[in-house]
Amino acid sequence: TQLLEQSPQFLSIQEGENLTVYCNSSSVFSSLQWYRQEPGEGPVLLVTVVTGGEVKKLKRLTFQFGDARKDSSLHITAAQTGDTGLYLCAGVQETSGSRLTFGEGTQLTVNP
Amino acid sequence: NAGVMQNPRHLVRRRGQEARLRCSPMKGHSHVYWYRQLPEEGLKFMVYLQKENIIDESGMPKERFSAEFPKEGPSILRIQQVVRGDSAAYFCASSRYILRTGSENTEAFFGQGTRLTVV
Repeated sequence: TQLLEQSPQFLSIQEGENLTVYCNSSSVFSSLQWYRQEPGEGPVLLVTVVTGGEVKKLKRLTFQFGDARKDSSLHITAAQTGDTGLYLCAGVQETSGSRLTFGEGTQLTVNP
Repeated sequence: NAGVMQNPRHLVRRRGQEARLRCSPMKGHSHVYWYRQLPEEGLKFMVYLQKENIIDESGMPKERFSAEFPKEGPSILRIQQVVRGDSAAYFCASSRYILRTGSENTEAFFGQGTRLTVV
């Protein structure tokens, strides 16, 4: 079983639409990160959330950390073709050692 | 500031050869992490090192794989006697502080990866 479950696994939408990607776990995380990865490249850090209930906005992207620090969501408003990529959530478990555990990712395709 | 530097970007090895992957962390970062990624999958943790010490190698295969982070020079991930199943993208990340403290100052930054192909 995957420690961090991301949904949906694949998402294909039209430019201008809104979307939400989810990252869920039964474990508590001391912090959670969202990364975006393009083909042939390494993951690029988008945001870090550390406080339960925290909401962070990055232009058209809104990130939320669940109150219990077990889940997170990424909402994109008015998606653009440049948003296409693999979105990965990753977290540091409160009870385990100092490492990031990744979800399997959501492959987003924004069509013109 | 240069980011995390990995080399080579692409590496082709024949079965049975050795593969050496290098990672230079960001300036001021003393924590290094290695991950492996298969096509259309997430990143799987392999090993966490802090200067000259292996802190957590719970994700490393028991045989043929080893990692080091010497006092001077880059971190090295070594794969001996490579097999086709070792073909993957290997990513290195670094952080300034231990990630556990749950602060925004404990972010990890990734290199562009080394794509290993075993033929």
